[in-house]
Amino acid sequence: DTGVSQDPRHKITKRGQNVTFRCDPISEHNRLYWYRQTLGQGPEFLTYFQNEAQLEKSRLLSDRFSAERPKGSFSTLEIQRTEQGDSAMYLCASSLGGGVYEQYFGPGTRLTVT
Amino acid sequence: DAKTTQPTSMDCAEGRAANLPCNHSTISGNEYVYWYRQIHSQGPQYIIHGLKNNETNEMASLIITEDRKSSTLILPHATLRDTAVYYCIVGQNNAGNMLTFGGGTRLMVKP
Repeated sequence: DTGVSQDPRHKITKRGQNVTFRCDPISEHNRLYWYRQTLGQGPEFLTYFQNEAQLEKSRLLSDRFSAERPKGSFSTLEIQRTEQGDSAMYLCASSLGGGVYEQYFGPGTRLTVT
Repeated sequence: DAKTTQPTSMDCAEGRAANLPCNHSTISGNEYVYWYRQIHSQGPQYIIHGLKNNETNEMASLIITEDRKSSTLILPHATLRDTAVYYCIVGQNNAGNMLTFGGGTRLMVKP
């Protein structure tokens, strides 16, 4: 399968712990997006990379959230000092660029903070 | 980005056409209409997008009114696997296009 992959698929953590999620985009896609989805709501945009450059991060929910894409391939999203309100599905998407902007989503990482 | 309005839920009989409406009366001239769907426990899936002409692909057809204030996604022969939440999104078709999802329409295809 050459789609977007995310790891882990599920994460249970205790409040106050740090968590990191990984996203591997479709290989030729140079744009990568992170979204968060809470129960019953549509996904909410968090941040966006073009290659290794993070071009939009004003929508990250707080300074506890950070994302990297060090070599322009995979990306990580880290949440520090998790809170119960961080429980959600975290979705990654990628797009080709060059005039093609449809986004292809991964299956998501479901985070539960206890 | 312009706001969209969709019915909360719809039913459709298997094998019949599903017509999902979307209102986007504040759309601006350079904004496209995108449709995505999300099947339970999966990430959203791109379906189709258009600017002002009607579009068709292997999944669906998109009909945009002449004034561009509304559109309809048509699934010509709905199957049980088309049961999902369908999101109509309006936005610019450019780099860094952050999709602004609303509540979507929950389509239930019934046998």
